[in-house]
Amino acid sequence: AQTVTQSQPEMSVQEAETVTLSCTYDTSENNYYLFWYKQPPSRQMILVIRQEAYKQQNATENRFSVNFQKAAKSFSLKISDSQLGDTAMYFCAFMKWGSQGNLIFGKGTKLSVKP
Amino acid sequence: DAGVIQSPRHEVTEMGQEVTLRCKPISGHDYLFWYRQTMMRGLELLIYFNNNVPIDDSGMPEDRFSAKMPNASFSTLKIQPSEPRDSAVYFCASSSPTDSYNEQFFGPGTRLTVL
Repeated sequence: AQTVTQSQPEMSVQEAETVTLSCTYDTSENNYYLFWYKQPPSRQMILVIRQEAYKQQNATENRFSVNFQKAAKSFSLKISDSQLGDTAMYFCAFMKWGSQGNLIFGKGTKLSVKP
Repeated sequence: DAGVIQSPRHEVTEMGQEVTLRCKPISGHDYLFWYRQTMMRGLELLIYFNNNVPIDDSGMPEDRFSAKMPNASFSTLKIQPSEPRDSAVYFCASSSPTDSYNEQFFGPGTRLTVL
């Protein structure tokens, strides 16, 4: 069975600084997807960034980028130029390739951006 | 598109009562998912449907929980009888098989409190 671990329950960062959130996962699959979701206080789950395991190039979406280390089964999220609106819970998630089904989530990291 | 719609946004009920949560997926999405979020267990997949057919209900906690999808634009999650330990936020999500990234779009969630 796949598992996703986020070892940092809470983090804080100053506005305009850079922060990195950690995520590790365990799987015997070779092909899969990885995601980072953001959940602000409004409770809405919002996709931040995604990565296909077969792609070596790290995904980037504006201020958000990932460091995907397949051999180490690590998928960290870097947020550059942090903004107050980035304050939220961040969830790392795993999905098997070819599956439309089970998204397996980590327990989340609560990020606070301070002015 | 209005996104995934869930109702009600908040539900407070007493132990033993029947609770029905409702979801309207994004038009054209063939997959629909029900998740439960609690502090203790995080986000868990309860059940998902493909073309209105339940595919995997292994996450449904017990017989008190049931889910239906009578048509492509509507699904319900029912708890009967409800118990205080069912208190959680319940999310509905939908996805399209034509999306190469298998992205799941989440609704705003229903916060259920069972007294």
